[in-house]
Amino acid sequence: GAVVSQHPSRVICKSGTSVKIECRSLDFQATTMFWYRQFPKQSLMLMATSNEGSKATYEQGVEKDKFLINHASLTLSTLTVTSAHPEDSSFYICSANNRAQGGNTIYFGEGSWLTVV
Amino acid sequence: QKEVEQNSGPLSVPEGAIASLNCTYSDRVSQSFFWYRQYSGKSPELIMSIYSNGDKEDGRFTAQLNKASQYVSLLIRDSQPSDSATYLCAVNEYSGGGADGLTFGKGTHLIIQP
Repeated sequence: GAVVSQHPSRVICKSGTSVKIECRSLDFQATTMFWYRQFPKQSLMLMATSNEGSKATYEQGVEKDKFLINHASLTLSTLTVTSAHPEDSSFYICSANNRAQGGNTIYFGEGSWLTVV
Repeated sequence: QKEVEQNSGPLSVPEGAIASLNCTYSDRVSQSFFWYRQYSGKSPELIMSIYSNGDKEDGRFTAQLNKASQYVSLLIRDSQPSDSATYLCAVNEYSGGGADGLTFGKGTHLIIQP
């Protein structure tokens, strides 16, 4: 089946620094990828839609200048958390849409735990 | 604003019994419906997808969709302790010309008691 891979799985960074998270679709091309954030005991919240070759679409309340998204190829999207603060500590999950399977099946990466200290 | 509602639980079910998980959604134009299982600290895992009214069965899992009532459910037969997890209902408005991100419910915490 489809596989979506994220890296790193866990990262600790200092407040004020930037962190990049990669999301790769391993066996299919993904023109669209999605980035979610999940705080403890909360549901997944869509942050932005990453479109290959164009600007990402951000959900209301998500700062585009803080969460930089780049989708330079059909198999890779990156999320950069800039000037990270402790409140940005969360579980970040990407997903990709495998349109080739028909319908709208979306597969998730393993997630990335970000801790800002 | 799109909303997906689930009872947060916990829902406790004896091993071997049927677990029934429910979900309602607010957006009538929603066309794709998904159930994900999420273990603590892990990414969601797709269990079932359903697009048409009625039942869809896959092994011990049955998804049921009623678009008129804006209701989707998941039945787990012969529940096992390994089924203990949080089950997320997700909805998508798939127009065919593009793809939107999923709208998730908050999840139902299911506990299968040995």
